[in-house]
Amino acid sequence: DADVTQTPRNRITKTGKRIMLECSQTKGHDRMYWYRQDPGLGLRLIYYSFDVKDINKGEISDGYSVSRQAQAKFSLSLESAIPNQTALYFCATSDRTGDGEKLFFGSGTQLSVL
Amino acid sequence: GESVGLHLPTLSVQEGDNSIINCAYSNSASDYFIWYKQESGKGPQFIIDIRSNMDKRQGQRVTVLLNKTVKHLSLQIAATQPGDSAVYFCAETRNFNKFYFGSGTKLNVKP
Repeated sequence: DADVTQTPRNRITKTGKRIMLECSQTKGHDRMYWYRQDPGLGLRLIYYSFDVKDINKGEISDGYSVSRQAQAKFSLSLESAIPNQTALYFCATSDRTGDGEKLFFGSGTQLSVL
Repeated sequence: GESVGLHLPTLSVQEGDNSIINCAYSNSASDYFIWYKQESGKGPQFIIDIRSNMDKRQGQRVTVLLNKTVKHLSLQIAATQPGDSAVYFCAETRNFNKFYFGSGTKLNVKP
């Protein structure tokens, strides 16, 4: 969904490096999420934020940190990258209506840690 | 969610046939469920959702069935088309807090 933009699309880094993945959205949603996808596994939640001053850990937050700089921006950092953090990372926003809640995903960032 | 493994379950169907994709969820307290479609190189996209107070919901060419007794969710796609080829995920949540995703099923549509 072009309304949720992730940069970069691909990144190769070395073990021990600090990297940041960025996400911006034009949907005006308060809720934002970072997920990780590994081959053969579903998406696993890393961190989520329901508002600018709200940050929550997900299932697999160890080794990651996030920053919600504004309603529209939510970045994910790997302080010291390790090879098992090689994965496809997705940012998502959500729109909660009276009828339900839909997640809108970016196109993903493929991260390789050598 | 679905059973975790290194290889995605794969469903191959003939174009024009109906497809049924299944998902076993884990939390009996989950009250809202969604099916997502992920095409190659793209992020997941919303297909259809259902609340736990329903057992069936229909969309355009898709139907979701919910069986709370056995914690089972299914997605039925009518008259499957080549453009339906993708990986399909179910997701569950309770009180719209966090969504938990299954491992996905790959649908191959043969022309």
